Amino acid sequence: QKEVEQDPGPLSVPEGAIVSLNCTYSNSAFQYFMWYRQYSRKGPELLMYTYSSGNKEDGRFTAQVDKSSKYISLFIRDSQPSDSATYLCAMGGGEYGNKLVFGAGTILRVKS
Amino acid sequence: DVKVTQSSRYLVKRTGEKVFLECVQDMDHENMFWYRQDPGLGLRLIYFSYDVKMKEKGDIPEGYSVSREKKERFSLILESASTNQTSMYLCASSPERGRTQYFGPGTRLTVL
Repeated sequence: QKEVEQDPGPLSVPEGAIVSLNCTYSNSAFQYFMWYRQYSRKGPELLMYTYSSGNKEDGRFTAQVDKSSKYISLFIRDSQPSDSATYLCAMGGGEYGNKLVFGAGTILRVKS
Repeated sequence: DVKVTQSSRYLVKRTGEKVFLECVQDMDHENMFWYRQDPGLGLRLIYFSYDVKMKEKGDIPEGYSVSREKKERFSLILESASTNQTSMYLCASSPERGRTQYFGPGTRLTVL
């Protein structure tokens, strides 16, 4: 079993839809959680960072962490074609020190 | 803004060649990382460095070595390139106590 599970998609939605992207994990030592966005043939860029449980909002993006269920989510409101990308979850803490464990990424396609 | 640069965007090499991939960051970060990214396998850590001349093996170090002579520069070396090292190579950096990693644009390496 992988430490971080992420549905690879692709997830295809119409423009304006609310998108929900999710990751589950098995290591309860994880304390900080990130979402990265990666456009085709580019490096990942940091989108959201959350420490421990709770929600964090930034514009159209909301990151949610539920440590009791070992489940994290990224919500995108009013999705745009420019949101089409691969979204990677990442997490770290505990014995991992400064290293991160990444999900495999979910491909999102927003159709205009 | 954190800037991580990689020496080449695209590289084509022959089997058996020695290959150098260079990464430079301009934010005085202590930690630097090399990953490879393959479809369906996600990001896999090859090596990371937490200080000048210090390095630690990641999950897939075989066939690779690294060098960090200066804080801002981290090099990945393929001693004798093989076709199964054809991949996207990503460099990242993070501050000493920071958890978020900042990525470069990637180098797409093809070994023929």
